[in-house]
Amino acid sequence: GQQLNQSPQSMFIQEGEDVSMNCTSSSIFNTWLWYKQDPGEGPVLLIALYKAGELTSNGRLTAQFGITRKDSFLNISASIPSDVGIYFCAGARFNDMRFGAGTRLTVKP
Amino acid sequence: DSGVTQTPKHLITATGQRVTLRCSPRSGDLSVYWYQQSLDQGLQFLIQYYNGEERAKGNILERFSAQQFPDLHSELNLSSLELGDSALYFCASSYQGGNTEAFFGQGTRLTVV
Repeated sequence: GQQLNQSPQSMFIQEGEDVSMNCTSSSIFNTWLWYKQDPGEGPVLLIALYKAGELTSNGRLTAQFGITRKDSFLNISASIPSDVGIYFCAGARFNDMRFGAGTRLTVKP
Repeated sequence: DSGVTQTPKHLITATGQRVTLRCSPRSGDLSVYWYQQSLDQGLQFLIQYYNGEERAKGNILERFSAQQFPDLHSELNLSSLELGDSALYFCASSYQGGNTEAFFGQGTRLTVV
């Protein structure tokens, strides 16, 4: 089953609003990854984080690797309709990678 | 295009049957992961291979098995299929077994009728 706690489970926001979601774990990870999945498609990598405390941006997306190495967050600024989808966090260590249950984002125009 | 190829894209089969799903990882990637995603659910980790050897096992049923071949492609075998096995099955690959980003294929949608 899932070893990562991802929240919130779903979000309904207005276009233009900022979004924040996070992922926590009881275990330490060496890498944190954030993916987006569109319906019927495979998850697409958005951001990869490799170092505790690292803050990385990809356009309107910003993610941080928590200093405890047990958590990460993803922010989306000025949301647009195409941001709709399911966002997954993933923690990786050694030969293991686990996913959160996902945050389903709905953006109302 | 992630570089990970999964075939077939769609599969419809009857209960009790056996199917094989195929995954070709990105060029140079040594590790392959298999995930199951039921309707509107998260990604359930099934199994991981690294350079031909099984490295980690998740909630994989005994009716399911997988292997990774010398050319690094992987196959997931599902047998004695049940209606509840209907799902999207994803393969992902990464250069190493962890610590590096993984890239997903487009998935195989399995429908058991």
